[in-house]
Amino acid sequence: DAGITQSPRHKVTETGTPVTLRCHQTENHRYMYWYRQDPGHGLRLIHYSYGVKDTDKGEVSDGYSVSRSKTEDFLLTLESATSSQTSVYFCAISEGPHTEAFFGQGTRLTVV
Amino acid sequence: SQQGEEDPQALSIQEGENATMNCSYKTSINNLQWYRQNSGRGLVHLILIRSNEREKHSGRLRVTLDTSKKSSSLLITASRAADTASYFCATDEGTYKYIFGTGTRLKVLA
Repeated sequence: DAGITQSPRHKVTETGTPVTLRCHQTENHRYMYWYRQDPGHGLRLIHYSYGVKDTDKGEVSDGYSVSRSKTEDFLLTLESATSSQTSVYFCAISEGPHTEAFFGQGTRLTVV
Repeated sequence: SQQGEEDPQALSIQEGENATMNCSYKTSINNLQWYRQNSGRGLVHLILIRSNEREKHSGRLRVTLDTSKKSSSLLITASRAADTASYFCATDEGTYKYIFGTGTRLKVLA
């Protein structure tokens, strides 16, 4: 497996609390992505990064923010968690803009 | 909105049979990729086909791409129980973000 680590792997949080998910890579890949996966929707892109401090929105970015202060870490923050953000979150990395992506094992987030 | 849409949503076949799934997309692309996801796991890259390619093989996998129809197909030959998984196509919309479809759930019966 590519060197991608997501943390935590599981989290239960209360509505209205902030939550930060971390994606850490050891591959030195330039591109990093956050997706959420929900039944019937497949994977939807939340935010992505094309370099340190360079990020952009995906399809479903409302309620989420990201930061990338160094190559290896890409943080996803839910400013004020809602039940609709209960999902499985996947981080992915790729070396180039049009190359294969490698995925982490996912973080299962439940907002109660 | 989804870029890639897989068809069928679910497929059940006997071991040894071939499995074919299709992907349609909406905009021009640089490449199209196929991924597999086993239950409860992350996605694993299977194959990448570039927009100037029409067919590509990798082991028991065969992928075709028709850019005029904005569609691709993934064929798994001589399927095995271990091929049971969900399969997703992903396109780059001409940029560097990957957009995935909703996937095809394949079940291979032993």
